[in-house]
Amino acid sequence: QQPVQSPQAVILREGEDAVINCSSSKALYSVHWYRQKHGEAPVFLMILLKGGEQKGHEKISASFNEKKQQSSLYLTASQLSYSGTYFCGTEANRDDKIIFGKGTRLHILP
Amino acid sequence: ETGVTQSPTHLIKTRGQQVTLRCSSQSGHNTVSWYQQALGQGPQFIFQYYREEENGRGNFPPRFSGLQFPNYSSELNVNALELDDSALYLCASSFGTITRQETQYFGPGTRLLVL
Repeated sequence: QQPVQSPQAVILREGEDAVINCSSSKALYSVHWYRQKHGEAPVFLMILLKGGEQKGHEKISASFNEKKQQSSLYLTASQLSYSGTYFCGTEANRDDKIIFGKGTRLHILP
Repeated sequence: ETGVTQSPTHLIKTRGQQVTLRCSSQSGHNTVSWYQQALGQGPQFIFQYYREEENGRGNFPPRFSGLQFPNYSSELNVNALELDDSALYLCASSFGTITRQETQYFGPGTRLLVL
């Protein structure tokens, strides 16, 4: 079952915050977040596992709400380099294969 | 440590032809997964190879086939190309076991256009 990402697209000014959501209709074991810039490969950001802690660095972090079967990616004080399409990939159980959402396009304006 | 590489970068074929795409996995990785990414969509899982054996397949017809070699590089073959096969084909390498893979690292992709 493909996860649903929201919003589909967002435009921000540099320095503003963004939240990207990833929801599943099934219970989840893990959520993977990737960023893909136009014409480039998806780049791994972080993985969140069932029962694990919130992950991230100072300005890009993510949470995983197992009960809601949902993950959120937080981008704080966005930079121009954050522009791109963000994908979440989910696994329903430990030996499952990753299923990716359709992506959220983020555009940061100077 | 070299990253994941793919060749060719771009390819144009006509309907009915066959194509082979190649992927060199990252050093130390034993698994390669192939994805098809249509314009504006997320990557769709085609299949995964672990230690030269297919280890899971997505909802793709048998004309999509693959191989993994002893050095863990991989090929994706598509026979009887259709117009809808036009897409970016991504491979991702990872290290893991037959039941569990660690983080996947993607190559730059091969953009295939079928006319």
